[in-house]
Amino acid sequence: GENVEQHPSTLSVQEGDSAVIKCTYSDSASNYFPWYKQELGKGPQLIIDIRSNVGEKKDQRIAVTLNKTAKHFSLHITETQPEDSAVYFCAASRGTYKYIFGTGTRLKVLA
Amino acid sequence: ETGVTQSPTHLIKTRGQQVTLRCSSQSGHNTVSWYQQALGQGPQFIFQYYREEENGRGNFPPRFSGLQFPNYSSELNVNALELDDSALYLCASSLGGPGVSSAGYTFGSGTRLTVV
Repeated sequence: GENVEQHPSTLSVQEGDSAVIKCTYSDSASNYFPWYKQELGKGPQLIIDIRSNVGEKKDQRIAVTLNKTAKHFSLHITETQPEDSAVYFCAASRGTYKYIFGTGTRLKVLA
Repeated sequence: ETGVTQSPTHLIKTRGQQVTLRCSSQSGHNTVSWYQQALGQGPQFIFQYYREEENGRGNFPPRFSGLQFPNYSSELNVNALELDDSALYLCASSLGGPGVSSAGYTFGSGTRLTVV
């Protein structure tokens, strides 16, 4: 069935360092790959997304790369700050239909 | 522009009872999706509604049902509650339909349901 694997489950980095979270999806028809940040007691918040016709997208300190052949996509956060600490989820979908979420990565940025 | 609002924020129910959770979509969004998020897990798709019709369903039993109203607000109903139904229930709205390219959901903050 459809599945998204996400690694690592926890990640600790020093403030100012980079963080990388990786996801692999199984449904080759997936064409939309959003990343969400979830803080304690809140719903997921979209931070960046990428569509299947693009290989890389950047928004300030955040970037996402997509390798359709390998069915891999990754989130890169540079110059991490304490406020980046949260749980991050990747997801894959066919357009606006259901998202298949990864299991989440708890990122801790150590000051 | 208002975001997605959900009510109530927290709820405690007894096993076997029924519950209704409510969601008000973001202005201009015509599609609503409901997700269940167990502690420490990613959200799991329950179902999606587009223009008041169910537009797909995940692997959840029929005791999970929903409604979408003409103003695009929505309800999630769960009958015969089980202990495993304890979770955070998330509502997400989006703009969907023919010719609309994929776009991110806007999630609400969720309803934390505890079944005892």
